[in-house]
Amino acid sequence: KQEVTQIPAALSVPEGENLVLNCSFTDSAIYNLQWFRQDPGKGLTSLLLIQSSQREQTSGRLNASLDKSSGRSTLYIAASQPGDSATYLCAVSINNAGNMLTFGGGTRLMVKP
Amino acid sequence: KAGVTQTPRYLIKTRGQQVTLSCSPISGHRSVSWYQQTPGQGLQFLFEYFSETQRNKGNFPGRFSGRQFSNSRSEMNVSTLELGDSALYLCASRLGHLTSGANVLTFGAGSRLTVL
Repeated sequence: KQEVTQIPAALSVPEGENLVLNCSFTDSAIYNLQWFRQDPGKGLTSLLLIQSSQREQTSGRLNASLDKSSGRSTLYIAASQPGDSATYLCAVSINNAGNMLTFGGGTRLMVKP
Repeated sequence: KAGVTQTPRYLIKTRGQQVTLSCSPISGHRSVSWYQQTPGQGLQFLFEYFSETQRNKGNFPGRFSGRQFSNSRSEMNVSTLELGDSALYLCASRLGHLTSGANVLTFGAGSRLTVL
């Protein structure tokens, strides 16, 4: 059974810092990995999707990497801003019917002004 | 372009009752999936529908059911509610059934169910 773990569970940093969020998964036979952002009381916003054949994806100040063989992904946020405060979730898909995602528990990020 | 719309946003039920939640996907999206989010278990996959057919189902009891209509709108139903069913129920839609870089899931804001 696929299990996804995110470390740390919570993180508080001052504005401007670069930070790394970690995601690990137990079964390397994934089809893709996604990072999402969730604001309090809201739904999820997809940030980045990495196919299993890819090593990384970038969008603005966000960069996600994937090491499938070791079962790890990292989300790098450059020059953090208070507006980045949210819960970040990673999720893996085991087949190309990518709606059936297994999620990690999330990292709750607070960026202080 | 309207996003994924879920109704109702909030509802309170008592144990033993049943509830129906509705999801309207983004126009043109034919794939709809449902997730349950609780503080203890996190986000868990419930089921996925594409072209009115259930394609995948998560590990939930038979009290949880769903369906999709010809216009791609979806409903999920929970019968004989239990306290543990209190959760945020999230619906997500996608253009097609299969995954590609541009075919990402778009989530709605959720329906928060409280069971007393």
